[in-house]
Amino acid sequence: AQSVSQHNHHVILSEAASLELGCNYSYGGTVNLFWYVQYPGQHLQLLLKYFSGDPLVKGIKGFEAEFIKSKFSFNLRKPSVQWSDTAEYFCAVNNPGNQFYFGTGTSLTVIP
Amino acid sequence: EAGVAQSPRYKIIEKRQSVAFWCNPISGHATLYWYQQILGQGPKLLIQFQNNGVVDDSQLPKDRFSAERLKGVDSTLKIQPAKLEDSAVYLCASSATTGGDEQYFGPGTRLTVT
Repeated sequence: AQSVSQHNHHVILSEAASLELGCNYSYGGTVNLFWYVQYPGQHLQLLLKYFSGDPLVKGIKGFEAEFIKSKFSFNLRKPSVQWSDTAEYFCAVNNPGNQFYFGTGTSLTVIP
Repeated sequence: EAGVAQSPRYKIIEKRQSVAFWCNPISGHATLYWYQQILGQGPKLLIQFQNNGVVDDSQLPKDRFSAERLKGVDSTLKIQPAKLEDSAVYLCASSATTGGDEQYFGPGTRLTVT
């Protein structure tokens, strides 16, 4: 079975610090990759996605992610976090069989 | 446009009882998903519908869980009988098509089994 690993379970940063959240997946074939975010009290929503092409993907609110096929990774980055980025972040993988797998999530707390 | 609607938002039942959750996806979305999210874990896909047909239900515990989407629009997920380990948030999501389209999530139903 496929798996999605998010190694950082809880991250605490000060405002203006840089962020990188790790995501690794186990499927060896072609995949679609996603980062979803859940702000406190809100629904899960899409942050960014990668289907093909440029492996550096830019999403909303200044987030970006880089797909490194050789490392089976899709790490999320932001150069300077804000207090409003406090949320739960989920990496997800979709294979050609249309099955979706989510990671366990990373809780980010940004201290003003 | 209206988002994905789910009801009820909260439900508390005793083990061995049955429970049903309802989901109304975004209008025109062909694909509907049910996820189970246990505290501290990521969402786990239970079943995926394309219109009123099942695309994937490989992780649905079919001895106690069932789901239907009779007219290709709204859907119900049922648990009968419930177990303590079914305590979780049940999320419904929809997307325009399959194949990795953006999923739009509802608020979820928090189920507590005592």
